[in-house]
Amino acid sequence: GEDVEQSLFLSVREGDSSVINCTYTDSSSTYLYWYKQEPGAGLQLLTYIFSNMDMKQDQRLTVLLNKKDKHLSLRIADTQTGDSAIYFCAGPSGNTPLVFGKGTRLSVIA
Amino acid sequence: NAGVTQTPKFQVLKTGQSMTLQCAQDMNHEYMSWYRQDPGMGLRLIHYSVGAGITDQGEVPNGYNVSRSTTEDFPLRLLSAAPSQTSVYFCASRPKQGFSYEQYFGPGTRLTVT
Repeated sequence: GEDVEQSLFLSVREGDSSVINCTYTDSSSTYLYWYKQEPGAGLQLLTYIFSNMDMKQDQRLTVLLNKKDKHLSLRIADTQTGDSAIYFCAGPSGNTPLVFGKGTRLSVIA
Repeated sequence: NAGVTQTPKFQVLKTGQSMTLQCAQDMNHEYMSWYRQDPGMGLRLIHYSVGAGITDQGEVPNGYNVSRSTTEDFPLRLLSAAPSQTSVYFCASRPKQGFSYEQYFGPGTRLTVT
């Protein structure tokens, strides 16, 4: 089954770019996802990428996928204090629900 | 649509007590699942269901039971609560067909076992 790994903490200054990295094991994953969790709230889908894509851009968000290295990254341009949250990388594992990484806590310093 | 709803939002139990966490969705999703979230552990899958009458175990099923008698509801039962079950519990749902990015989460139930 899928195993997803990501670093636990990232701290950036407001206005800088944030890059959150993730590695996964299941090369058959058709979609890979980024979810965002704000304090005290549930998870919300932030963006996703289909496995036949290398890059996907959505406003301030850029997702890069390196299938050879099974590496996924999320770049947030012009990071704002409102971006402070936990970001989860996730991938499917067959017909079971999504498998999540441990989450990266992003702290934005004003 | 209300989406995925969970009750209660907060609960305190004593060790050995039992209780049921409720989860309901009004989107006619076939797939439903329960996760627990602990600091530094991310989300771990407890149980899931691919349709009414069908359930299966996830990564951490011990101490929990589920049933799926209707498409809408997927309750999680704690049989005899233990302090190790102190956690935040999330229910999620998604349709069987279509892109799996359509997984929706409830707001969570924060459970403390003393």
